[in-house]
Amino acid sequence: AQKITQTQPGMFVQEKEAVTLDCTYDTSDQSYGLFWYKQPSSGEMIFLIYQGSYDEQNATEGRYSLNFQKARKSANLVISASQLGDSAMYFCAMRQEGTNAGKSTFGDGTTLTVKP
Amino acid sequence: NAGVTQTPKFQVLKTGQSMTLQCAQDMNHNSMYWYRQDPGMGLRLIYYSASEGTTDKGEVPNGYNVSRLNKREFSLRLESAAPSQTSVYFCASTGDYLSTDTQYFGPGTRLTVL
Repeated sequence: AQKITQTQPGMFVQEKEAVTLDCTYDTSDQSYGLFWYKQPSSGEMIFLIYQGSYDEQNATEGRYSLNFQKARKSANLVISASQLGDSAMYFCAMRQEGTNAGKSTFGDGTTLTVKP
Repeated sequence: NAGVTQTPKFQVLKTGQSMTLQCAQDMNHNSMYWYRQDPGMGLRLIYYSASEGTTDKGEVPNGYNVSRLNKREFSLRLESAAPSQTSVYFCASTGDYLSTDTQYFGPGTRLTVL
C-alpha cells in the first residue's frame, strides 16, 4: 500500500526566511510522481511542483524547490523568501503508474504560518 | 477555459436523502477523479475514471456511485446520505492516467449531512 507521511502538523516561519516542509513516502513502485499542493483558507487546491521518480535533478518552480532523496524516500518542499501569502495548508501527494495507474495518495498536510 | 467546475458549491442534506455532485472539465482530459477531504486531513480517493467508459474504486468507495457521462463529465452520487459523508468533495482531472501529469482540481463542494 502507498503511504505519504507529513510529520509536521504546523510550522511557523518569519517573513523572507526559507522553510522546509517534510514529506516521506512508501511505495514498491519504480515509477511514480510526487506533487506538492497548496490549499489556502479559501479551500482550493493549487498545484505547486512535481518530481518524477526517474528525474535526477531536483524540481524547481520559482520560489519552490523539491529536495528529492530517492534512497530515503523523501520529497521535502523548500519555500525560499517566505511571503505572508504563503500561509496555507500544504499537501504532499504521490501518483502511481502501472496497474494502479491514476491513483493518488495524499498526506495529512502541514499548516504553514508566515509571521510578519 | 474554465478548467474543472463543480456544482453545487454547498449542500445540506438530511440523513437518507440522495444527491448527485456534478463535475465537468474543458481541458480534453482523459482521466477524472473524485476525492473527499475531512477536516484536518488530506484527500482520499473515492472513485476514478481512467478514460471515458471506465470507472474504478478508490480508497473509500462505500456509499458512493459514479458515472462517467462523457469525456467532459464525471458525476458522484450519494444514494442514501449519512452524517459520516459530511466532507468537502473535490473533483480533479488529468491528461493521461498512464503519465504522471498534474491533477487539476475543481473548487470543491462542501456537503453537510444532518
